[in-house]
Amino acid sequence: RKEVEQDPGPFNVPEGATVAFNCTYSNSASQSFFWYRQDCRKEPKLLMSVYSSGNEDGRFTAQLNRASQYISLLIRDSKLSDSATYLCVVNSYSGGGADGLTFGKGTHLIIQP
Amino acid sequence: DTAVSQTPKYLVTQMGNDKSIKCEQNLGHDTMYWYKQDSKKFLKIMFSYNNKELIINETVPNRFSPKSPDKAHLNLHINSLELGDSAVYFCASSQAGPPGDTQYFGPGTRLTVL
Repeated sequence: RKEVEQDPGPFNVPEGATVAFNCTYSNSASQSFFWYRQDCRKEPKLLMSVYSSGNEDGRFTAQLNRASQYISLLIRDSKLSDSATYLCVVNSYSGGGADGLTFGKGTHLIIQP
Repeated sequence: DTAVSQTPKYLVTQMGNDKSIKCEQNLGHDTMYWYKQDSKKFLKIMFSYNNKELIINETVPNRFSPKSPDKAHLNLHINSLELGDSAVYFCASSQAGPPGDTQYFGPGTRLTVL
């Protein structure tokens, strides 16, 4: 079973629409959760951390459901500049593994004018 | 100023060669990492390292070795390169390591093994 699973997409969405991504994680001991954004041929950059109570940053809202091991990202009023790959990320204390982040494969979003 | 920098940006080499990728961070962070992103865009941790401890992902071949001359640098040395090593390698750093610290990534080094 993959540690972090996401729908790879692509999601083709008209500008101004609302779009939601989901991901699930397998390690119930995970403690920290993030959404990163990666543009084509660029490095990943932190979009936002995800907190248990849910959190919002402008047009972006993240939710965490620990019981279901499920994380979501909602983008409202999407812009052309939102086109990118969105990576669901959890910490990876996997016992003997490197203490880095575990990335999902990403969801590719294309905002169409 | 670039927070996390890597050199070279592109590296093309023959199978069997030995190569190094350099990484430097000017953020004053305590922990640095190396990730590999393969052709399927899957990003996977290879190493994490701070002043006290190197943690190696068990799936990483021992041909790969990180070398840290000081806190601001974590270089990646690869021996006997293989075709499957072709990927983009990202260096990253964080203040004090997981669980909650933001990691900052370098621009990546695109390695092609012929």
